[in-house]
Amino acid sequence: EDKVVQSPLSLVVHEGDTVTLNCSYEVTNFRSLLWYKQEKKAPTFLFMLTSSGIEKKSGRLSSILDKKELFSILNITATQTGDSAVYLCAVGGDNTDKLIFGTGTRLQVFP
Amino acid sequence: KAGVTQTPRYLIKTRGQQVTLSCSPISGHRSVSWYQQTPGQGLQFLFEYFSETQRNKGNFPGRFSGRQFSNSRSEMNVSTLELGDSALYLCASSLGAHRAKNIQYFGAGTRLSVL
Repeated sequence: EDKVVQSPLSLVVHEGDTVTLNCSYEVTNFRSLLWYKQEKKAPTFLFMLTSSGIEKKSGRLSSILDKKELFSILNITATQTGDSAVYLCAVGGDNTDKLIFGTGTRLQVFP
Repeated sequence: KAGVTQTPRYLIKTRGQQVTLSCSPISGHRSVSWYQQTPGQGLQFLFEYFSETQRNKGNFPGRFSGRQFSNSRSEMNVSTLELGDSALYLCASSLGAHRAKNIQYFGAGTRLSVL
């Protein structure tokens, strides 16, 4: 059965800390791994990774995929209170838009 | 460019009733997918539509159905509502699974409460 597992489930940090969120997967016909940030309602897209070892960066956020070990990490440096959200990892298969989601990591950043 | 639009934003229904939710994708997007989000189960895939055809269906009972129109707008219907159907229903649109870099963008969702 296809599955995506995220850890930790919850994380509480202070502003300025660096955090690493983990996502492991077992999905047949893997095509891509996506990270989303969900604050109130709509998950907003962060990164899509398809190739191993290539880091994607956007400001203080970065992510990398390891297709051999079947996992991805999302790093956030110099965290801010606005980073408080649930971070979702999702994996997509070939020739389908169906995404399999992990349960998410809830990040709380305190001043 | 307008994002994915879902209507209504909130719904309150009673057990046994039926409900129809609507999703308008980003302009130019032909693929629409639906997900159910609950605190216990997280995001669960419901359906995937492309060019008015259902391409994939999740593990939900037949009470859950959907369709897509020629303008790519999509609706999902839940009949004979149960308390457990209370959830946030999210719609996502994309250019299509055949595209190499296919990203799904989500709407704000419809919050359904079944009493």
